Amino acid sequence: EAQVTQNPRYLITVTGKKLTVTCSQNMNHEYMSWYRQDPGLGLRQIYYSMNVEVTDKGDVPEGYKVSRKEKRNFPLILESPSPNQTSLYFCASSFRAVGGGYTFGSGTRLTVV
Amino acid sequence: AQSVTQLGSHVSVSEGALVLLRCNYSSSVPPYLFWYVQYPNQGLQLLLKYTTGATLVKGINGFEAEFKKSETSFHLTKPSAHMSDAAEYFCAVSDPSAGNMLTFGGGTRLMVKP
Repeated sequence: EAQVTQNPRYLITVTGKKLTVTCSQNMNHEYMSWYRQDPGLGLRQIYYSMNVEVTDKGDVPEGYKVSRKEKRNFPLILESPSPNQTSLYFCASSFRAVGGGYTFGSGTRLTVV
Repeated sequence: AQSVTQLGSHVSVSEGALVLLRCNYSSSVPPYLFWYVQYPNQGLQLLLKYTTGATLVKGINGFEAEFKKSETSFHLTKPSAHMSDAAEYFCAVSDPSAGNMLTFGGGTRLMVKP
């Protein structure tokens, strides 16, 4: 089944403790992206990747890192999480760089206390 | 820079009634336009998209949307609401000259009354 898999689905952590949210897709998509969803703000892009070893900042990249060493994986790293990073995070991938519809993961609900 | 405005964060309709969810965008170039649906505790699912060609686009679950360039709008409609349509709907725009970055609206939660 074609899908984007995120782990974990739920995570509660403390301020400053490094964490990684994994994202993997099995559709051979070149394009992958991370979004955060907050009430009333819709989805805002954090980082995106056009292909392996090619990443770039989205609208809200502060406090986040990403890497794209393999085509299928695009982990999101929070080196020192803070409470304002409490949010619902989505990974998405797309076959074509422009105009392609995204396939979204099921989301990761992160709480930083 | 592009932006998306969804009028009405909450819309309530009766089962069987017309569904109309409004989306207006701003973009310096002809954009690509999308509607996504999010059911509780799930990710977003593509409903339909407009890239080029026919301005009336049909999607899944009986939804359709019309691209109106003069009004910079891409409103989503469905003739007859079903209880299963209750979800949050997001309009999004992509600037073809700026890679594949999607800019999303704030979302509209659709409630369907029996």
